[in-house]
Amino acid sequence: DIVMTQTPLSSPVTLGQSASISCRSSQSLVHSDGNTYLSWLQQRPGQPPRPLIYMISKRFSGVPDRFSGSGAGRDFTLEISRVEAEDVGVYYCMQATQNPTFGQGTKVEIK
Amino acid sequence: EVQLVESGGGLVQPGGSLRLSCAASGFTLSSYWMTWVRQAPGKGPEWVANIRQDGGERRYVDAVKGRFIISRDNAKSSLYLQMNSLRVEDTAVYYCARGLTADSWGQGTLVTVSS
Repeated sequence: DIVMTQTPLSSPVTLGQSASISCRSSQSLVHSDGNTYLSWLQQRPGQPPRPLIYMISKRFSGVPDRFSGSGAGRDFTLEISRVEAEDVGVYYCMQATQNPTFGQGTKVEIK
Repeated sequence: EVQLVESGGGLVQPGGSLRLSCAASGFTLSSYWMTWVRQAPGKGPEWVANIRQDGGERRYVDAVKGRFIISRDNAKSSLYLQMNSLRVEDTAVYYCARGLTADSWGQGTLVTVSS
């Protein structure tokens, strides 16, 4: 199984500032079809996970452009710019290049 | 609008069985792989199983192999998870999700395995 490792596990952020979350996979996430199936999900308290980003950097419909994804191969990053109160929650990376696995989660909270 | 609505969760004793259902709407179920994901209390999500569009291929996480069965009825726009020989460690919210990449999720149904 592919192991996904996120850092940091907690990220206190000042409103209006940026947050950055890293995700590293135990092996390359490049699929045999040439795509990289790395997604980011947000889970607000008491809610189901909500997909934000797919294939490294593509935003799902309705996701603010404050959220951006980048990376390649084994190393990926989610950036949240101009953090708002509604961004509080836990963020997970997820790979679907093989049977899906998730990172441990990064808790974003307001300082 | 894509909608996934899970049902069938509840309290069950260890060794018991439950059948979860997921009603899909807003898209053509037969065009997508479908996925079950669970989340134990205070933990991150864990992929459980997925099934090909025609039901001809099914994949499971090792922890549920031989105990859980994923199935689908495209005519009824429904996905199922038959859970047998339940263990305390199967306690979780179970979500159905669309596709191999889980691009849409339901609200989940809580399964509690306890004596």
